[in-house]
Amino acid sequence: DTAVSQTPKYLVTQMGNDKSIKCEQNLGHDTMYWYKQDSKKFLKIMFSYNNKELIINETVPNRFSPKSPDKAHLNLHINSLELGDSAVYFCASSHLGQGETQYFGPGTRLLVL
Amino acid sequence: AQSVTQLGSHVSVSEGALVLLRCNYSSSVPPYLFWYVQYPNQGLQLLLKYTSAATLVKGINGFEAEFKKSETSFHLTKPSAHMSDAAEYFCAVSDPPSNTGKLIFGQGTTLQVKP
Repeated sequence: DTAVSQTPKYLVTQMGNDKSIKCEQNLGHDTMYWYKQDSKKFLKIMFSYNNKELIINETVPNRFSPKSPDKAHLNLHINSLELGDSAVYFCASSHLGQGETQYFGPGTRLLVL
Repeated sequence: AQSVTQLGSHVSVSEGALVLLRCNYSSSVPPYLFWYVQYPNQGLQLLLKYTSAATLVKGINGFEAEFKKSETSFHLTKPSAHMSDAAEYFCAVSDPPSNTGKLIFGQGTTLQVKP
């Protein structure tokens, strides 16, 4: 049983297109996150939802829009893709709290041509 | 603001040798600290975490880390490296003021294990 799953695993697309990445967790957590890992492997938080409410919204272009239809799902839609959006996007989930362990999905490798 | 610095972007050790990966943090309040490992083409997996209990924390796969407040450090060690330990290692600090579980990651350290 996969705890945190993401689809698709790979995404190759042209500049200007719109794409979505989906994430699901079956751990019963109330908080989900999106991280971006760049080509130098640096990881940065983008968004977080707790019980379907947005609680973290870092400095991310408006072209990125997260949506959480329920506690177990968090999707990321990206409009007008740019070359600089090429990265690995990780979804994670946890219980809300400072010392809580975040469980990561396998990542979605996005390549914008 | 909280921050994390990992000294050494690449560390190379021989199989059986001691592994030492360095992490220093900056935090205005007692921190929660984490070490995660990322194997090639995979997501991150928790190795261990410090949440203000024992300062010496034992994790999975024989790793441990010691929280030293005076040195603002949380270095990761393993007595004897295995080939399977080759991976990317990330130190992270939780961001207490927001209480959102936000993690701030270091730059990562690539561990190479030579036969």
